[in-house]
Amino acid sequence: DIQMTQAPSSLSASVGDRVTITCRASQGIRNDLGWYQQKPGKAPKRLIYAASSLQSGVPSRFSGSGSGTEFTLTISSLQPEDFATYYCLRHNTYPFTFGPGTKVDIK
Amino acid sequence: EVQLVESGGGLVQPGGSLRLSCAASGFTFSDYYLDWVRQAPGKGLEWVGRIRNKANSYTTEYAASVKGRFTLSRDDSKNSVYLQMNSLKTEDTAVYYCTRSTSSGISVADYWGQGTLVTVSS
Repeated sequence: DIQMTQAPSSLSASVGDRVTITCRASQGIRNDLGWYQQKPGKAPKRLIYAASSLQSGVPSRFSGSGSGTEFTLTISSLQPEDFATYYCLRHNTYPFTFGPGTKVDIK
Repeated sequence: EVQLVESGGGLVQPGGSLRLSCAASGFTFSDYYLDWVRQAPGKGLEWVGRIRNKANSYTTEYAASVKGRFTLSRDDSKNSVYLQMNSLKTEDTAVYYCTRSTSSGISVADYWGQGTLVTVSS
């Protein structure tokens, strides 16, 4: 199975900071990757699909990039509502796999 | 408005069975694939399985951890998908989410239900 790693596993940041989260695949997955945000006790919410396409209704401060084995999610200016856990999901082959998650909390 | 509503969770003993349901509304259910994702308490997300649409013969895919024990089915006339879980283990304890995906493969898990908690314990 293709494995996904995510870095960092957690980070502390301040409102207004630029935040970058990286997902790496153990082999190439084209651009078959999405990014999800999850807040405690809530269902995940998709932010990005096809590696770089912004989900409708998601603020433009979120962006995704990458192809092949390395992908990034960037939050250009962190807002109070962005403190959450972020996951990547690769879906090029079965079984689909999520990254282990990155928890973003307040510095 | 797209809605996915899971039900059927609860407490079950190891070795037991449970059937989860997911009722959909707000979109053309029969066009879409449905995926299930679970999350053990305090842990990350795990993809469980997929059922395709009629155009793709309702075929299914499963994670290795549930293959042979879990079965997906759907009833397009009721806009519902079902996850039959047999031979349950304590490690199946999780919140189970229903999600929808397009058949093109480009858009996966764009909408999620609120989840239903399954607890496997004696």
